[in-house]
Amino acid sequence: AQSVAQPEDQVNVAEGNPLTVKCTYSVSGNPYLFWYVQYPNRGLQFLLKYITGDNLVKGSYGFEAEFNKSQTSFHLKKPSALVSDSALYFCAVRDRAGYALNFGKGTSLLVTP
Amino acid sequence: EAQVTQNPRYLITVTGKKLTVTCSQNMNHEYMSWYRQDPGLGLRQIYYSMNVEVTDKGDVPEGYKVSRKEKRNFPLILESPSPNQTSLYFCASGGTMNTEAFFGQGTRLTVV
Repeated sequence: AQSVAQPEDQVNVAEGNPLTVKCTYSVSGNPYLFWYVQYPNRGLQFLLKYITGDNLVKGSYGFEAEFNKSQTSFHLKKPSALVSDSALYFCAVRDRAGYALNFGKGTSLLVTP
Repeated sequence: EAQVTQNPRYLITVTGKKLTVTCSQNMNHEYMSWYRQDPGLGLRQIYYSMNVEVTDKGDVPEGYKVSRKEKRNFPLILESPSPNQTSLYFCASGGTMNTEAFFGQGTRLTVV
């Protein structure tokens, strides 16, 4: 069975500082990995995905994520946080044989001015 | 513009009163799914559909029904809602293999 863990319920960072939102996964074989963001009263918006190839994936709004196979991690990063990045972030995994997308519990990011 | 449209956005109902949450997509996706989001639990899949007339249970299907009579529509049916179905519901379209899913705006359901 596939699963995702987001070990931090909340991450606080000052505007302008780098941010990291952690994600580890468990799946048979090679995974497809995704990050989504949810702003208040909105649906989930796709940020980026890892399929294959380069371990550093770049996505929307200046976000990037690093795939680490040995540590089974897919941490979301941004070099300089903005107050407008404050939102709920979800990591998700899908194995290559199926369709089901398993989500983590979400990490609330708060960027303070 | 690619869209997944859910209605209603907000709904308060009473225990046992049947309700339907509609979902429509304009991207010609074959795969559609329903999730519920609860604090501390993330998103959990309720049902999914691989194509017209093909549906299957997700992780938390109890108390829900779905139908897929047309490719673009995938309604979620609660025939006898109970308070433990109070949640935020999302419809998703697409998202198979290495592609991302597109989500609707969500339906916040309260069952009293």
